[in-house]
Amino acid sequence: GQSLEQPSEVTAVEGAIVQINCTYQTSGFYGLSWYQQHDGGAPTFLSYNGLDGLEETGRFSSFLSRSDSYGYLLLQELQMKDSASYFCAVRDQRDSNYQLIWGAGTKLIIKP
Amino acid sequence: DSGVTQTPKHLITATGQRVTLRCSPRSGDLSVYWYQQSLDQGLQFLIQYYNGEERAKGNILERFSAQQFPDLHSELNLSSLELGDSALYFCASSSKLAGGRETQYFGPGTRLLVL
Repeated sequence: GQSLEQPSEVTAVEGAIVQINCTYQTSGFYGLSWYQQHDGGAPTFLSYNGLDGLEETGRFSSFLSRSDSYGYLLLQELQMKDSASYFCAVRDQRDSNYQLIWGAGTKLIIKP
Repeated sequence: DSGVTQTPKHLITATGQRVTLRCSPRSGDLSVYWYQQSLDQGLQFLIQYYNGEERAKGNILERFSAQQFPDLHSELNLSSLELGDSALYFCASSSKLAGGRETQYFGPGTRLLVL
């Protein structure tokens, strides 16, 4: 079957660095995406990795290792506004259609 | 503002009833996705349409149906509602159909409460 695993909750301190891991098991792989969702809000796109390696966008970076079926989202210089849920999603193909398979989300709690 | 609009924002109804949720995608986007998110849960993919045609089905109940119209807006119909259908329903749109990098833009959601 298809599954993505990520921790349900991570706690960190303001100003620190935190890493949210995602391991996946899918029949195909066409890229790993990360989305952020604040309480009561809509998910918003953060980053995408199609190839192995690190992608950096400001304070956020995302890493992918296709051989390990593993990726992570790295958040640096944490701010209180980063408190949110973070979802990893893998683009897979079923029949002739491409779909995003979503993880259950990681709730990031930031303490002052 | 993602450019995706959803109406209504909130909906309160009774068990056994039927409701229709509406979504207008971003200008130019041909793909529309529907998701269900129950309290403190992840996103459950329901169904995808591309340029009016159904392209993928996820965990969508038989009581639920959707369609995409020629002007590309989409409607999700929920019937014989049960208490467990109470959730946030998101619509998302994207410009891609094929693989590779794809960004989905989410609407603000419709919060459905079934009493």
